[in-house]
Amino acid sequence: DVKVTQSSRYLVKRTGEKVFLECVQDMDHENMFWYRQDPGLGLRLIYFSYDVKMKEKGDIPEGYSVSREKKERFSLILESASTNQTSMYLCASRVGASNTEAFFGQGTRLTVV
Amino acid sequence: AQSVTQPDIHITVSEGASLELRCNYSYGATPYLFWYVQSPGQGLQLLLKYFSGDTLVQGIKGFEAEFKRSQSSFNLRKPSVHWSDAAEYFCAGSGGSNYKLTFGKGTLLTVNP
Repeated sequence: DVKVTQSSRYLVKRTGEKVFLECVQDMDHENMFWYRQDPGLGLRLIYFSYDVKMKEKGDIPEGYSVSREKKERFSLILESASTNQTSMYLCASRVGASNTEAFFGQGTRLTVV
Repeated sequence: AQSVTQPDIHITVSEGASLELRCNYSYGATPYLFWYVQSPGQGLQLLLKYFSGDTLVQGIKGFEAEFKRSQSSFNLRKPSVHWSDAAEYFCAGSGGSNYKLTFGKGTLLTVNP
């Protein structure tokens, strides 16, 4: 089975901190995604990566950056956390083709205080 | 812009009744379309997908969806709902050479006994 693992289920950070959310997949997938999920807003794409060191902005990239130095790992970085970034963050991966299923991690609930 | 729209935020049905969840898409070419389900506290699970061929797609848990190009729709159906189907349902789309995977805002399904 494909496994997408997010490093933390729950995180509490202070305003202004630099925050790293880590995601690792074990199936050699080319594509990886970061979404945030908020009630009533569904899943909104922050960034995605279609290969190592390749990234593209999603619909809400402001305040975030990403890093993909190795194929299996995709990191989301909050440069200076703010309270409006309190949310559930979901990582996903899939084979590098648009018609394939994406597999999701369990999510990281981030609270910024 | 490529988008996926779920017009219904919340639907309530009685156990045993039929179900239809709506999804509309806006893509330049024929998109690849997916339905995911998220049970409370759980990750997202793929129910079914469409990428070509037969416009009626069968999925897991007794769900099916029909791709209608003329209506730009990909509605999810189930003939008889079970209490365990209570969850949030997301429609998603991906198109051609663009690896971006876009989700709708979700439809929350409540099942009454």
